[in-house]
Amino acid sequence: DQQVKQNSPSLSVQEGRISILNCDYTNSMFDYFLWYKKYPAEGPTFLISISSIKDKNEDGRFTVFLNKSAKHLSLHIVPSQPGDSAVYFCAASAGYDKIIFGKGTRLHILP
Amino acid sequence: EADIYQTPRYLVIGTGKKITLECSQTMGHDKMYWYQQDPGMELHLIHYSYGVNSTEKGDLSSESTVSRIRTEHFPLTLESARPSHTSQYLCATRRGETQYFGPGTRLLVL
Repeated sequence: DQQVKQNSPSLSVQEGRISILNCDYTNSMFDYFLWYKKYPAEGPTFLISISSIKDKNEDGRFTVFLNKSAKHLSLHIVPSQPGDSAVYFCAASAGYDKIIFGKGTRLHILP
Repeated sequence: EADIYQTPRYLVIGTGKKITLECSQTMGHDKMYWYQQDPGMELHLIHYSYGVNSTEKGDLSSESTVSRIRTEHFPLTLESARPSHTSQYLCATRRGETQYFGPGTRLLVL
């Protein structure tokens, strides 16, 4: 059973607009959440993270929102740029236990 | 500059061959991991290590083996490669609650 779910396999967004990537989780013990970006034939790159004691974390164009009651987090990218086209993985962990990854969402930024 | 290195980046090999995928890091992290990832699928943990002489199997059953004789080195070995081993293999380290990944090795077994 998947503990971290990214239900949208792909998403297309116009350049300059906001990209919103969603992630749901089932394990209420998760207390740390991460987003990674991956280009083909490369390893994932850490983007941004959030602890369960917060509901928002911002870093430049990237903002992660956490809704603990809904067990839902989202990554907002604004404005979207062509270089943002990649696969985005949501991940979660409980303490220093193993990090669990979702299946990823492929983001296409349209010119 | 601290980093994670994986070699080779790409490997095409015949069935039955023995291969070793190299992973080394200059970050000084104790925790290291190997993941297997196919397109459109999540990253599957196949091995991990919490330090020198520590190795554990991950969540996904794998016919590969690993060793951790030095902190900076965590090689993965397949004794007899099969087409079902075709995948991307990602090495990672962990500091605190964040993992850092190497560039990956894309393996094709014919």
